[in-house]
This record gives sequence, C-alpha cells and structure tokens, in this order.
Amino acid sequence: GQQVMQIPQYQHVQEGEDFTTYCNSSTTLSNIQWYKQRPGGHPVFLIQLVKSGEVKKQKRLTFQFGEAKKNSSLHITATQTTDVGTYFCAQIQGAQKLVFGQGTRLTINP
Amino acid sequence: ETGVTQTPRHLVMGMTNKKSLKCEQHLGHNAMYWYKQSAKKPLELMFVYSLEERVENNSVPSRFSPECPNSSHLFLHLHTLQPEDSALYLCASSQVSWGSSYEQYFGPGTRLTVT
Repeated sequence: GQQVMQIPQYQHVQEGEDFTTYCNSSTTLSNIQWYKQRPGGHPVFLIQLVKSGEVKKQKRLTFQFGEAKKNSSLHITATQTTDVGTYFCAQIQGAQKLVFGQGTRLTINP
Repeated sequence: ETGVTQTPRHLVMGMTNKKSLKCEQHLGHNAMYWYKQSAKKPLELMFVYSLEERVENNSVPSRFSPECPNSSHLFLHLHTLQPEDSALYLCASSQVSWGSSYEQYFGPGTRLTVT
C-alpha cells in the first residue's frame, strides 16, 4: 500500500530552537493528519490538512500541505520542554484506514 | 481522558495462554480500530470496524481475533502468541461517513509482554 516517509527519525534541539519534521509521499495525498505522542502516552490528534498549499497554525505550531499534495511539514517555533514527544503524520486511505509515517522523535535540552 | 478506555493497561502472558483486550468508547463514534505499536515499526493498523463492516490488515496473524459486538465496544482475542507480539496495542475510534474521515481518538493502550 501507499506509504508516507517521515524525516528525520530523531531530532534533538536546545530549548528555544525551532524544529521541523517532514512527510513525503510518492503519490498525491487526499489529505493528511498530524498526531503527537508524548513519552509513555498515546497519539493525540493535532490537525488535518486537505487543500493544496494549505497552511494552518496552532500557537507555535505551523502545518503546511504542499502545492502538489505530496508532502507536508510541521514546524515548531521556539521549542519548549512540553513539545517533547513523537510527531506522526498519517495518510488517510479511503474513509476508514489511516497509514502512519514512522514518526519523528523530538527531545529537548532545557 | 479522550473518551476511549482500554483494559488491562498491562498484560504479561505465556505463549500458550488465551487472553482478551477490551476497548470502550464513549464518544458516539461509528468506527473503531486496533493498532499495534512496537519499538521498531510505525503504528500498524490491524483491524477496523466501520460502517457495519470489518476491514483487516492481511498481514495480521490469525492468532489475533477481533470482536466488535456494538459500536461502543471492541475486543482483541489473543491466543498462542509469540514473543515478537510483545508491543503496545492501541484502540482508537472515529466518526466516519462515506467519503469522509475525521480524527481518530486513541485509548491509553495495553502494554503486552509475551514470555
């Protein structure tokens, strides 16, 4: 089945630095979702992107969907220790199936 | 709390045991899912119950057997598991309609260890 590739796999930053994770697909995506999983926790939905070139913001988080709908990114400005966790993009296949990327694990040095 | 509960939270079982994982959602959703999350692989969809039909990942071994008696409850029956089945098993629910899909709400998971 179709897969989304997510990079990087790991990212360590100093608190206050920015962070970006990328999702790439070889095929056009109908839409894409982003989730965050804190250490020891479960995935929590962040956002869904649907439109080509869409940009959405949630406080310090900026989500983008590429013009060709083959890639997406999540950017965090001025990271805080509460941002620690693994960020997953997920590709929706049909109405029922969600295929997750490998995730980017973010650790932060306070 | 996301409105999705799972029991037990931790389970240790031998390879010859039979056990069941339980999931319950209080969100009024019409779709429920089982995922497997292990250290070396991304979240892997195992089963979906949605719109009164079951969709499964063909790579899931038959030692995993799902049951969905109604839209609020989901079970995963386990028998003769292997050590490589040790993982976090996550249940999720969402509201779906033909042609549309919405965010999934995950339960806290069951940490399964097979000895």
